[in-house]
Amino acid sequence: TQLLEQSPQFLSIQEGENLTVYCNSSSVFSSLQWYRQEPGEGPVLLVTVVTGGEVKKLKRLTFQFGDARKDSSLHITAAQPGDTGLYLCAGGPISGYSTLTFGKGTMLLVSP
Amino acid sequence: DTGVSQDPRHKITKRGQNVTFRCDPISEHNRLYWYRQTLGQGPEFLTYFQNEAQLEKSRLLSDRFSAERPKGSFSTLEIQRTEQGDSAMYLCASSSQGARNTEAFFGQGTRLTVV
Repeated sequence: TQLLEQSPQFLSIQEGENLTVYCNSSSVFSSLQWYRQEPGEGPVLLVTVVTGGEVKKLKRLTFQFGDARKDSSLHITAAQPGDTGLYLCAGGPISGYSTLTFGKGTMLLVSP
Repeated sequence: DTGVSQDPRHKITKRGQNVTFRCDPISEHNRLYWYRQTLGQGPEFLTYFQNEAQLEKSRLLSDRFSAERPKGSFSTLEIQRTEQGDSAMYLCASSSQGARNTEAFFGQGTRLTVV
């Protein structure tokens, strides 16, 4: 079973601060997705990373896939209250069927 | 197409009753997934369809749970003889048959409360 560990579990910061959240596994993934989920809603896909070492930027969000495709990080610059939510990483398997394995998520609270 | 649609958004039922949820995926997507999410947890995989074929089921999917996708389009998830432990958010997602990545697009979920 592929297991994704996310850290920290909870993060509370002030508007304008920078932060990084992590997603780690002992397994190799074919791809890794980051989602953001608001209370009572389904997860919304932010980005997919596929190649080891890949870096993708989405406005103030920077996503990195580890060289060995076992870990990933999400860095947010100058956080805003609108960034508040549960950030989930999900990995796709190397072989087998196409199901995604999710971490437990990092709950981010950005206060004005 | 406006994305993955789930119905109902909320369901409250008495213990022992049966419930059925519906998911309409993005129209060109041939893969459909059901996940369950409880408070403080990430989504847990339940089952996966490619077209009308159910290709994988989690051990979480007890014999009280059944899912169908009869025409390879919409899907239903039925829970028989509901228990309080079934209370959760049930999420449906869909994806297209791609190469390496398995990115999935989620619906808004059905929140089930068993009382």
